[in-house]
Amino acid sequence: EAQVTQNPRYLITVTGKKLTVTCSQNMNHEYMSWYRQDPGLGLRQIYYSMNVEVTDKGDVPEGYKVSRKEKRNFPLILESPSPNQTSLYFCASSPAGLRNGYYGYTFGSGTRLTVV
Amino acid sequence: AQTVTQSQPEMSVQEAETVTLSCTYDTSENNYYLFWYKQPPSRQMILVIRQEAYKQQNATENRFSVNFQKAAKSFSLKISDSQLGDTAMYFCAFMKQRNTPLVFGKGTRLSVIA
Repeated sequence: EAQVTQNPRYLITVTGKKLTVTCSQNMNHEYMSWYRQDPGLGLRQIYYSMNVEVTDKGDVPEGYKVSRKEKRNFPLILESPSPNQTSLYFCASSPAGLRNGYYGYTFGSGTRLTVV
Repeated sequence: AQTVTQSQPEMSVQEAETVTLSCTYDTSENNYYLFWYKQPPSRQMILVIRQEAYKQQNATENRFSVNFQKAAKSFSLKISDSQLGDTAMYFCAFMKQRNTPLVFGKGTRLSVIA
């Protein structure tokens, strides 16, 4: 089944303790992205990657890091989490290139992160 | 910068009735993509329908259809024969071109009442 897999689904952590949220896709998509969702704000992009070793900042990158060493994986790293990073996080992927019927992103199931 | 506005934070509809969710956007682009996503309580983001701006014909997917008014920069979603399973948060989203950031509205929470 074509999908984007995020882990964990739920995570409670303490301020300052480094954590990684993993994201993997099995569709050979070039483009991958991280979003955070907060009540009343919709979804906002954190970082994105056009391909292996190519990453760039989105609208809200402060406090986050990413890496893209392999095409299928795009982990989100919080080096020193703070309570204002408590949010619902989504990973998404999309094919590049000129293909018919572009359907936008495929989203993962989300990771609910709480930083206390 | 592009912005997407959903002016109805919450809506409700009786089962089997029709409901329309509104969305307006602001852009200077001529070609772009528009999407409606559904987010049920499971949190999954599910693509409902999409529209390419260069296509004048309104997109339709079963009970879901859009009214795309390019000049007015309006992209409303119509749900016909509403079902209890349609209860969800609905997000309108704009994409300038393929594989550029999706810009989301703040969402409309739809409740379908039996």
